[in-house]
Amino acid sequence: AQSVTQLGSHVSVSEGALVLLRCNYSSSVPPYLFWYVQYPNQGLQLLLKYTSAATLVKGINGFEAEFKKSETSFHLTKPSAHMSDAAEYFCAVSAYNTDKLIFGTGTRLQVFP
Amino acid sequence: NAGVTQTPKFQVLKTGQSMTLQCAQDMNHEYMSWYRQDPGMGLRLIHYSVGAGITDQGEVPNGYNVSRSTTEDFPLRLLSAAPSQTSVYFCASSYSPGTGQTEAFFGQGTRLTVV
Repeated sequence: AQSVTQLGSHVSVSEGALVLLRCNYSSSVPPYLFWYVQYPNQGLQLLLKYTSAATLVKGINGFEAEFKKSETSFHLTKPSAHMSDAAEYFCAVSAYNTDKLIFGTGTRLQVFP
Repeated sequence: NAGVTQTPKFQVLKTGQSMTLQCAQDMNHEYMSWYRQDPGMGLRLIHYSVGAGITDQGEVPNGYNVSRSTTEDFPLRLLSAAPSQTSVYFCASSYSPGTGQTEAFFGQGTRLTVV
């Protein structure tokens, strides 16, 4: 069965600092991995996805993530945080031949001026 | 193009009452699903549907029923509400080639409180 683990339920950074949100996956088949963002009182929207085409994936708003099979990781990064990045971020996995998404428990990102 | 529309946005129920959370999408997506979001637990899949007339259980289906009579609509029914069902509910849809690669589109959520 597929699963994802997000390390750190809360991450705080200063504006302009590096953002690093961690996600490790478990899957017996080649996984498809996603990062979604949820702004306050809103639904989730896709930031980026990995579907085996390239290991470094670029998404919206300057975010990117690198798929590392040897480390079973798919960490989300952004070189310079902006106040508008404050939100909750979810890592998710789906397996080949199914559209079911399995979500991690989420990481809340706070950005301080 | 409205995307995924959920109604109502907020609801308070008394224990034992029943209600239906509505979800509609206008993107002709085959795959639709319901999740509940609870603090510290992320999103957990309740029920899903791969097309009209086809539904299946997710991770936490107890206390909930679904049906899918049309491609557009996927209502979630609470037959007898319990305080443990206090949560934020999200409906999602995606184009479904069955490969697991497609983006899910989410509604704005329904915040349900059961007292």
